[in-house]
Amino acid sequence: DAGVTQSPTHLIKTRGQQVTLRCSPKSGHDTVSWYQQALGQGPQFIFQYYEEEERQRGNFPDRFSGHQFPNYSSELNVNALLLGDSALYLCASSLSGAGNYGYTFGSGTRLTVV
Amino acid sequence: QQQVKQSPQSLIVQKGGISIINCAYENTAFDYFPWYQQFPGKGPALLIAIRPDVSEKKEGRFTISFNKSAKQFSLHIMDSQPGDSATYFCAASMASGTYKYIFGTGTRLKVLA
Repeated sequence: DAGVTQSPTHLIKTRGQQVTLRCSPKSGHDTVSWYQQALGQGPQFIFQYYEEEERQRGNFPDRFSGHQFPNYSSELNVNALLLGDSALYLCASSLSGAGNYGYTFGSGTRLTVV
Repeated sequence: QQQVKQSPQSLIVQKGGISIINCAYENTAFDYFPWYQQFPGKGPALLIAIRPDVSEKKEGRFTISFNKSAKQFSLHIMDSQPGDSATYFCAASMASGTYKYIFGTGTRLKVLA
């Protein structure tokens, strides 16, 4: 049973560029959340997608956007990259109706902005 | 009100010892408190979680103690092993409603062989 799959695992981008990160949820899960984890810090909630809609958003600027596809996979897009966007981006999937129980995290995408 | 404060930042324990990590929260609406374990290069993995209607939950060598009146909860790792060396995060959320987890800043645990 595959867990949460994220791609790519590592990425280097230049300031001002745009990046797209991808996530495939755990089999049977229908909800995807994205978190940003800066070095030495705890993960920070970016947003959550359910039924292809953004259900809730954290304190992140509009440069961060997302999408969920009919197969429940998701993308995180970041425009106009800043040096401060360098972080580990984590995708977590869960099953709606299970409340906040059963979050499964992927191994993340390490984004470096130079 | 949305913060979860975690301490200590780092912890060194001898093999066989007890590791204790503490967290405090402010928002009394939180009703779900998980602990996550994260190894380098990996995503966080759920270790154990508690709801505030119980004061303690034990799973193997891992125990959560919960003090609702003090708005504090802690993770105890009994008989700590070198394989437990990882970063541990506490988190808090509302099981219904806002959906998001508020994470602590993490504790880097090193268990000496």
